[in-house]
Amino acid sequence: NAGVMQNPRHLVRRRGQEARLRCSPMKGHSHVYWYRQLPEEGLKFMVYLQKENIIDESGMPKERFSAEFPKEGPSILRIQQVVRGDSAAYFCASSPRKDTQYFGPGTRLTVL
Amino acid sequence: KNQVEQSPQSLIILEGKNCTLQCNYTVSPFSNLRWYKQDTGRGPVSLTIMTFSENTKSNGRYTATLDADTKQSSLHITASQLSDSASYICVVSAKGGSYIPTFGRGTSLIVHP
Repeated sequence: NAGVMQNPRHLVRRRGQEARLRCSPMKGHSHVYWYRQLPEEGLKFMVYLQKENIIDESGMPKERFSAEFPKEGPSILRIQQVVRGDSAAYFCASSPRKDTQYFGPGTRLTVL
Repeated sequence: KNQVEQSPQSLIILEGKNCTLQCNYTVSPFSNLRWYKQDTGRGPVSLTIMTFSENTKSNGRYTATLDADTKQSSLHITASQLSDSASYICVVSAKGGSYIPTFGRGTSLIVHP
Protein backbone atom coordinates (compact mmCIF):
# COMPACT_ATOMS: atom_id res chain seq x y z
CA ASN A 1 0.00 0.00 0.00
CA ALA A 2 1.78 3.08 -1.24
CA GLY A 3 1.89 6.08 1.04
CA VAL A 4 0.60 9.55 0.27
CA MET A 5 2.10 10.73 -3.00
CA GLN A 6 2.75 14.33 -3.88
CA ASN A 7 4.08 15.76 -7.10
CA PRO A 8 6.02 17.54 -8.12
CA ARG A 9 8.46 17.40 -5.22
CA HIS A 10 9.99 20.69 -6.29
CA LEU A 11 8.31 23.41 -8.31
CA VAL A 12 9.80 26.69 -9.48
CA ARG A 13 7.55 29.43 -10.78
CA ARG A 14 8.01 33.07 -11.73
CA ARG A 15 5.84 35.71 -10.17
CA GLY A 16 2.43 35.80 -11.84
CA GLN A 17 2.45 32.20 -13.01
CA GLU A 18 0.18 29.44 -11.76
CA ALA A 19 1.25 26.58 -9.52
CA ARG A 20 -0.57 23.25 -9.42
CA LEU A 21 0.26 20.83 -6.63
CA ARG A 22 -1.04 17.29 -6.70
CA CYS A 23 -1.76 14.85 -3.90
CA SER A 24 -2.75 11.22 -4.24
CA PRO A 25 -4.03 9.94 -0.89
CA MET A 26 -3.39 6.48 0.44
CA LYS A 27 -5.66 3.80 -0.94
CA GLY A 28 -8.98 3.81 0.84
CA HIS A 29 -8.51 7.28 2.32
CA SER A 30 -11.28 9.72 1.49
CA HIS A 31 -10.13 12.64 3.67
CA VAL A 32 -7.43 15.01 2.42
CA TYR A 33 -5.81 17.93 4.20
CA TRP A 34 -3.43 20.56 2.83
CA TYR A 35 -0.88 22.38 4.98
CA ARG A 36 1.72 25.06 4.34
CA GLN A 37 5.05 25.24 6.11
CA LEU A 38 7.24 28.30 5.93
CA PRO A 39 10.96 27.97 6.75
CA GLU A 40 11.57 27.61 10.48
CA GLU A 41 7.83 27.60 11.18
CA GLY A 42 5.21 25.01 12.03
CA LEU A 43 2.62 23.52 9.74
CA LYS A 44 -0.39 25.72 9.07
CA PHE A 45 -3.72 24.18 8.10
CA MET A 46 -5.14 25.36 4.79
CA VAL A 47 -8.04 23.19 3.68
CA TYR A 48 -9.80 19.89 4.43
CA LEU A 49 -11.59 18.02 1.68
CA GLN A 50 -13.52 14.83 1.21
CA LYS A 51 -14.32 13.42 -2.18
CA GLU A 52 -15.86 16.21 -4.26
CA ASN A 53 -16.47 18.38 -1.20
CA ILE A 54 -14.62 21.13 0.62
CA ILE A 55 -15.30 20.59 4.31
CA ASP A 56 -13.22 23.32 5.89
CA GLU A 57 -11.23 25.99 4.07
CA SER A 58 -10.75 28.33 6.99
CA GLY A 59 -6.98 28.35 6.55
CA MET A 60 -6.98 29.10 2.86
CA PRO A 61 -6.24 32.63 1.64
CA LYS A 62 -9.38 34.14 0.15
CA GLU A 63 -7.79 35.01 -3.17
CA ARG A 64 -5.63 33.11 -5.65
CA PHE A 65 -5.81 29.79 -3.78
CA SER A 66 -8.23 26.98 -4.55
CA ALA A 67 -8.42 23.26 -3.87
CA GLU A 68 -10.38 20.34 -5.21
CA PHE A 69 -10.64 16.61 -4.62
CA PRO A 70 -12.53 15.14 -7.58
CA LYS A 71 -14.30 11.80 -7.62
CA GLU A 72 -11.50 10.41 -9.76
CA GLY A 73 -7.89 11.47 -9.58
CA PRO A 74 -5.70 13.33 -7.13
CA SER A 75 -6.47 16.33 -5.00
CA ILE A 76 -5.19 19.57 -6.51
CA LEU A 77 -4.05 22.71 -4.73
CA ARG A 78 -3.96 25.56 -7.20
CA ILE A 79 -2.24 28.88 -6.66
CA GLN A 80 -2.87 31.53 -9.28
CA GLN A 81 -0.60 34.52 -9.94
CA VAL A 82 2.01 33.35 -7.47
CA VAL A 83 3.99 35.87 -5.42
CA ARG A 84 7.30 35.46 -3.60
CA GLY A 85 5.45 35.04 -0.29
CA ASP A 86 3.89 31.82 -1.61
CA SER A 87 7.31 30.15 -1.49
CA ALA A 88 6.95 27.36 1.06
CA ALA A 89 6.64 23.63 1.50
CA TYR A 90 3.10 22.39 0.91
CA PHE A 91 2.16 19.13 2.58
CA CYS A 92 -0.81 16.94 1.92
CA ALA A 93 -2.13 14.44 4.44
CA SER A 94 -4.82 11.80 4.10
CA SER A 95 -6.85 9.74 6.52
CA PRO A 96 -9.52 7.04 6.22
CA ARG A 97 -11.77 8.98 8.61
CA LYS A 98 -11.38 11.76 11.14
CA ASP A 99 -8.29 10.10 12.54
CA THR A 100 -4.52 9.95 12.30
CA GLN A 101 -3.29 11.81 9.25
CA TYR A 102 -0.61 10.34 7.05
CA PHE A 103 1.59 12.94 5.42
CA GLY A 104 3.10 13.03 1.98
CA PRO A 105 6.69 14.13 1.29
CA GLY A 106 5.63 17.65 0.39
CA THR A 107 6.06 19.95 -2.59
CA ARG A 108 8.61 22.71 -2.25
CA LEU A 109 7.44 25.75 -4.17
CA THR A 110 9.94 28.45 -5.04
CA VAL A 111 8.71 31.67 -6.60
CA LEU A 112 11.37 33.68 -8.38
CA LYS B 1 -8.13 30.04 21.02
CA ASN B 2 -6.59 26.58 20.60
CA GLN B 3 -2.82 26.70 21.00
CA VAL B 4 0.06 24.27 21.28
CA GLU B 5 3.37 25.45 22.71
CA GLN B 6 6.53 23.37 22.54
CA SER B 7 9.82 23.69 24.35
CA PRO B 8 12.66 23.90 23.93
CA GLN B 9 12.67 25.40 20.45
CA SER B 10 15.91 23.57 19.69
CA LEU B 11 18.11 21.07 21.47
CA ILE B 12 21.57 19.65 20.87
CA ILE B 13 22.64 16.44 22.59
CA LEU B 14 25.39 13.86 22.25
CA GLU B 15 24.70 10.47 20.76
CA GLY B 16 23.63 7.97 23.40
CA LYS B 17 22.15 10.56 25.74
CA ASN B 18 18.49 10.83 26.71
CA CYS B 19 16.33 13.91 26.25
CA THR B 20 12.79 15.11 26.96
CA LEU B 21 10.70 17.45 24.86
CA GLN B 22 7.73 19.35 26.26
CA CYS B 23 4.31 20.27 24.90
CA ASN B 24 1.66 22.44 26.57
CA TYR B 25 -1.74 22.91 25.00
CA THR B 26 -4.98 24.79 25.47
CA VAL B 27 -7.07 22.81 22.96
CA SER B 28 -10.58 22.12 24.18
CA PRO B 29 -12.52 19.88 24.26
CA PHE B 30 -9.56 17.54 24.04
CA SER B 31 -9.71 14.53 21.75
CA ASN B 32 -6.16 13.27 21.28
CA LEU B 33 -2.52 14.25 21.19
CA ARG B 34 0.05 13.04 18.70
CA TRP B 35 3.79 13.38 18.41
CA TYR B 36 5.23 13.48 14.92
CA LYS B 37 8.83 13.26 13.74
CA GLN B 38 9.75 15.34 10.70
CA ASP B 39 13.08 14.71 9.05
CA THR B 40 14.55 17.59 7.07
CA GLY B 41 12.89 17.79 3.68
CA ARG B 42 10.33 15.11 4.48
CA GLY B 43 6.75 14.94 5.65
CA PRO B 44 5.88 14.33 9.33
CA VAL B 45 5.58 10.73 10.50
CA SER B 46 3.40 9.76 13.45
CA LEU B 47 5.26 8.43 16.51
CA THR B 48 2.53 8.12 19.13
CA ILE B 49 -1.11 8.98 19.68
CA MET B 50 -2.80 9.32 23.07
CA THR B 51 -6.38 9.86 24.08
CA PHE B 52 -7.71 11.37 27.29
CA SER B 53 -7.55 8.11 29.23
CA GLU B 54 -3.97 7.25 28.30
CA ASN B 55 -1.07 8.76 30.19
CA THR B 56 1.85 6.97 28.57
CA LYS B 57 2.59 5.41 25.20
CA SER B 58 5.84 3.93 23.92
CA ASN B 59 7.19 3.36 20.45
CA GLY B 60 10.63 1.82 20.66
CA ARG B 61 13.00 4.37 22.20
CA TYR B 62 10.26 7.03 22.18
CA THR B 63 7.95 7.35 25.19
CA ALA B 64 5.20 9.94 25.32
CA THR B 65 3.36 10.96 28.47
CA LEU B 66 0.14 12.91 28.82
CA ASP B 67 -1.27 14.79 31.81
CA ALA B 68 -4.75 15.82 30.73
CA ASP B 69 -5.33 17.73 33.97
CA THR B 70 -2.39 20.09 33.47
CA LYS B 71 -2.66 19.84 29.66
CA GLN B 72 0.96 18.85 29.27
CA SER B 73 2.71 16.16 27.31
CA SER B 74 6.33 15.11 27.03
CA LEU B 75 8.29 13.01 24.58
CA HIS B 76 11.25 11.16 26.05
CA ILE B 77 13.92 9.79 23.75
CA THR B 78 16.20 7.15 25.20
CA ALA B 79 19.74 6.39 24.06
CA SER B 80 19.61 8.89 21.22
CA GLN B 81 20.95 8.03 17.78
CA LEU B 82 22.18 10.25 14.98
CA SER B 83 19.02 9.39 13.04
CA ASP B 84 16.94 11.00 15.79
CA SER B 85 18.04 14.40 14.48
CA ALA B 86 14.77 15.90 13.28
CA SER B 87 11.94 18.22 14.22
CA TYR B 88 9.44 16.79 16.72
CA ILE B 89 5.95 18.17 16.44
CA CYS B 90 3.17 18.00 19.02
CA VAL B 91 -0.32 17.98 17.50
CA VAL B 92 -3.55 18.23 19.49
CA SER B 93 -7.03 17.61 18.16
CA ALA B 94 -10.34 18.79 19.56
CA LYS B 95 -13.58 16.84 19.54
CA GLY B 96 -16.30 17.68 17.11
CA GLY B 97 -16.27 20.09 14.21
CA SER B 98 -14.16 19.36 11.18
CA TYR B 99 -11.43 17.76 13.27
CA ILE B 100 -8.70 20.19 12.30
CA PRO B 101 -5.70 19.59 14.56
CA THR B 102 -3.57 22.32 16.13
CA PHE B 103 0.14 22.00 15.46
CA GLY B 104 3.00 23.12 17.65
CA ARG B 105 5.98 24.77 15.98
CA GLY B 106 8.17 21.81 16.81
CA THR B 107 11.41 21.19 18.66
CA SER B 108 14.48 20.87 16.48
CA LEU B 109 16.71 18.11 17.85
CA ILE B 110 20.30 17.67 16.74
CA VAL B 111 22.20 14.59 17.88
CA HIS B 112 25.99 14.92 17.62
CA PRO B 113 28.37 11.97 17.47
